[in-house]
Amino acid sequence: AQTVTQSQPEMSVQEAETVTLSCTYDTSENNYYLFWYKQPPSRQMILVIRQEAYKQQNATENRFSVNFQKAAKSFSLKISDSQLGDTAMYFCAFMKQIRRANSKLTFGKGITLSVRP
Amino acid sequence: KAGVTQTPRYLIKTRGQQVTLSCSPISGHRSVSWYQQTPGQGLQFLFEYFSETQRNKGNFPGRFSGRQFSNSRSEMNVSTLELGDSALYLCASSAGLAGLTRETQYFGPGTRLLVL
Repeated sequence: AQTVTQSQPEMSVQEAETVTLSCTYDTSENNYYLFWYKQPPSRQMILVIRQEAYKQQNATENRFSVNFQKAAKSFSLKISDSQLGDTAMYFCAFMKQIRRANSKLTFGKGITLSVRP
Repeated sequence: KAGVTQTPRYLIKTRGQQVTLSCSPISGHRSVSWYQQTPGQGLQFLFEYFSETQRNKGNFPGRFSGRQFSNSRSEMNVSTLELGDSALYLCASSAGLAGLTRETQYFGPGTRLLVL
């Protein structure tokens, strides 16, 4: 079974600064996908970024980028130029690749990020 | 495209009752997954439906069931409600294309269920 660990329960960052959220996972699979989802106080879960395990290049989406270290099973999220709207709970999630079936997402416990004005 | 919609958004029930939650996926998406979110257990996978068939199931008791209709809309049902069923229930849809799993799941706003 897969596990996802987010060891930091809370973090705080000053507006316009950069923050990195950590995530580690454990799996025996070789083909899988990793995600960061954001859940603001409204509770809507929003996809932030996705990484395919077979890709060596780290994914980037505007101010969000990841540092994917497959051997170390580490998947951290970097948020640059933090904005007040980035205040939310962030979940790291794992999905293994399965033929002819949609695999479930396994989530970490989440980290609460607060952006200070 | 309209996003994933869930109804109702809030629900209050008493122990022993049953409840049905509804989810409409993004237009064109054929796969619907359900998750339960609680402060103690975090986000846990309930089940996934594709083309009206349950393809994957999490470790929940038989009181939790679901179904999917021909238009890909899905419902989940919880019978004989217990206090511990109080949670945010999230529905996610994905394209559900046949073959290798590669689709991202997009979430609805959730239904918050309170069991008294």
